[in-house]
Amino acid sequence: QSVLTQPPSVSGAPGQRVTISCTGSSSNIGAGYDVHWYQQLPGTAPKLLIYDFNKRPSGVPDRFSGSRSGTSASLAITGLQAEDEADYYCQSSDSSLNGHYVFGSGTKVTVL
Amino acid sequence: EVQLVQSGAEVKKPGESLKISCKGSGYTFTSYYIGWVRQMPGKGLEWVGIVFPDDSHTRYGPSFEGQVTISVDKSISVAYLQWSSLKASDTAIYYCARALVYSSSWYGGYWGQGTLVTVSS
Repeated sequence: QSVLTQPPSVSGAPGQRVTISCTGSSSNIGAGYDVHWYQQLPGTAPKLLIYDFNKRPSGVPDRFSGSRSGTSASLAITGLQAEDEADYYCQSSDSSLNGHYVFGSGTKVTVL
Repeated sequence: EVQLVQSGAEVKKPGESLKISCKGSGYTFTSYYIGWVRQMPGKGLEWVGIVFPDDSHTRYGPSFEGQVTISVDKSISVAYLQWSSLKASDTAIYYCARALVYSSSWYGGYWGQGTLVTVSS
């Protein structure tokens, strides 16, 4: 049971906007720890999509954006494309775990 | 170009020991935390622990403390993850990763290709 909760799955038609939530608590996201987001395609290593809440690495399309509100963070994908079908994970730190790092439970995005 | 290159797949029996590696290149190895991440078959990502190569300081996730050992040889820019007595439940892909830009914390900006560890009798 991860301290960062994500919906198991979200889906959308091509071109639509989908959001993935990452719900934490006052000891992780609510404490101001940075949140990072990863995309994992089948059979490949995770890829960094968003770091430090809302920064995009070079090469990541601006269709991907991150935000935070209180004890939760969100990843938004606009203009959904077939190639976005993948697993997505959030990651942060948690002061109740001596500042150790934690991953969210993961969300499968399906493009209808 | 920053690269993290991991050692190849391993097949071991329960009770055997194992040490897998992650070699960094294209950057100052001692300046970035190296973290290890486990992914069991069909499951999500789990943070195993990190090492700071400059002083070999390590931290472990609660589920991994006492179960694995993370070390580093900064003279050859290699980080290691090792087990003294493997269990079938250690079967997983293990990734190493470091931050994208200099940071006082860890996240996975650059990733190794992963090492599949299979433990079976």
